[in-house]
Amino acid sequence: EIVLTQSPGTLSLSPGERATLSCRASQSVSSSYLAWYQQKPGQAPRLLIYGASSRATGIPDRFSGSGSGTDFTLTISRLEPEDFAVYYCQQYGNSRLTFGGGTKVEIK
Amino acid sequence: EEQLVESGGGLVQPGGSLRLSCAASGFTFSTYWMSWVRQAPGKGLEWVANIKQDGTEKYYVDSVKGRFTISRENAKNSLDLQMNSLRAEDTAVYYCARIYSSSSGTTLDVWGQGTTVTVSS
Repeated sequence: EIVLTQSPGTLSLSPGERATLSCRASQSVSSSYLAWYQQKPGQAPRLLIYGASSRATGIPDRFSGSGSGTDFTLTISRLEPEDFAVYYCQQYGNSRLTFGGGTKVEIK
Repeated sequence: EEQLVESGGGLVQPGGSLRLSCAASGFTFSTYWMSWVRQAPGKGLEWVANIKQDGTEKYYVDSVKGRFTISRENAKNSLDLQMNSLRAEDTAVYYCARIYSSSSGTTLDVWGQGTTVTVSS
């Protein structure tokens, strides 16, 4: 089973700042099968990035994904007030999924 | 609009059973793999189970194997999760989600709003 480790656990930033979130896999993951989600309190997760770097429909271009192998990154170029939330990475393999533990982006 | 709506959650005693349902609309349900994902209170997301388009392949997280059964009825655009021998640690919000596969990747692109399961005496 592939384990995904996200860091940091919490990121305290101000609106307008850049956020860099990390997702590290215990073994190599195909870039096609790495996704990122945003979740706000009381809401279902929302797909942001799939295939490591492709933005989902309607996702603003301040969100970008990169990486390959075991190291992946979600970058939010300039934080907007609505971006403060929890972010999860997820991988798909052998018809199963695993999620990272999440990174909370909070207002500093 | 593509939509998933879960139902069936509630309070159940340890060792009891519960059946969750997910109604799909706005897309051709029978052409997609489907998934259940859960989230315990204050915790992260945990994948629970996947089912192939025709129901012939099913996969589960180890912690629910032998206790939970995922199934679907394509004629009714419906996905189910039968949960038996429930434990306190199964307490969570349960989401159904659509698995989308393309040349660019495989992911969960449509989610329901979730249904809450509480296992407690």
